[in-house]
Formats: sequence, structure tokens, C-alpha cells
Amino acid sequence: EAGVVQSPRYKIIEKKQPVAFWCNPISGHNTLYWYLQNLGQGPELLIRYENEEAVDDSQLPKDRFSAERLKGVDSTLKIQPAELGDSAVYLCASSLASGETYEQYFGPGTRLTVT
Amino acid sequence: KNQVEQSPQSLIILEGKNCTLQCNYTVSPFSNLRWYKQDTGRGPVSLTIMTFSENTKSNGRYTATLDADTKQSSLHITASQLSDSASYICVVSPNFGNEKLTFGTGTRLTIIP
Repeated sequence: EAGVVQSPRYKIIEKKQPVAFWCNPISGHNTLYWYLQNLGQGPELLIRYENEEAVDDSQLPKDRFSAERLKGVDSTLKIQPAELGDSAVYLCASSLASGETYEQYFGPGTRLTVT
Repeated sequence: KNQVEQSPQSLIILEGKNCTLQCNYTVSPFSNLRWYKQDTGRGPVSLTIMTFSENTKSNGRYTATLDADTKQSSLHITASQLSDSASYICVVSPNFGNEKLTFGTGTRLTIIP
């Protein structure tokens, strides 16, 4: 069974440029999560989707970040414009649902460097 | 504020030795505690999940313990291998689901031959 797929794995951009990350969750997983992980820190939730609905986006900086999961399967996370402080690893995870203690499966992440 | 604190921040041990990583949390209410292993350049992978009624759970050479009264957990690694070199992250949930997970900052473990 394929795991959570993310692309690209690495991205280097100049500040003020836009960037987008893509995530394909494990087949059948209704819940999708985007996390931000700074070096030496634990992941921090940005947004959680139940199917195509964003049920928790309270930690998403909406002035520059946006996300979508149009058909309830894969998802994209966008930053526009990027700032130096956005340099981090962006992790996508999925689970069967979020209302039970279902295992979360993480993708390999996209490492973003903003110069 | 819900917090998860891990110690030590980093640890270096010889291959074959045992080690124990610590996790203290202030998350309330408490439902379950998870330990994840994160290899460099990879996403976290779940090792164990313990509910408040469990006080120990094993996964191969990894054994996690939980004391819900003192709000402490430990992860014991037996007979360490080079492949155990990774960050180990403690995660606490206030409910049955994955909605409000609080992640620790991790312990960076390095196994040397």
C-alpha cells in the first residue's frame, strides 16, 4: 500500500515568490492534515480537512497561506508571498478519520527554503 | 496552556546499549499518548499509542510506559541499533481523536558504532 505522497521534496524560492505543495493521502483516508515543522521542533498543525471540508484552520496564517482539497482526496497548500520565516518542512498526514484514535500517517515532507 | 516537554534534548549512546527517553505533559484532559520516530528527512512514524488506562506498551525493542497520575511517559530502547538514530517525538491528545494533538520538540538520539 502506498503511503502519503508529497511533492516536491525540496523547494528553494526567493522571498515574495509564491510556492505550492501537493499531497496525496493514503487511499480511503478521509482526514488530511498539513503541519509545519521548524528545525528541532515538533510539527504544528496548520489545517485539518474532513473530506473536502476544512474543519480546523485556526492556525493557518490566512493572509498568505491557503489550502484546498477540492475532491476530498489530494490537497495543495500555497504560500503567497513567501517570507524568510516560512523556511521549514511542510508535512502532510492522513488518517481514516479524526474522531477516533486512528493512526496518523505522515508523508516525507517538503523542505522549503526561502532566500 | 497544553505542553509536552521531552528530555534529554539529545542523546548519544553506543550501539547495543539501552536508553530511556522522557516525556512530561500538562495536557488536560488526557486521552492518549503516542511516541513517534522521525528519521532525518522523513515524516514521523508511529511507534506506540497508549490510552489513559494503559501503563505499558511494546513494539519490538521499543517499550513505552505511561503514568497518567504524574503525567509522565518514557520510551525505553533495548539493544540499540544504528538504525535507531532518529528524533523521537512524544505526542499527547486530549480526546480520542487526532484533532488537538500536542507535539513535543523531540529527543535527538544518535547511535554510534
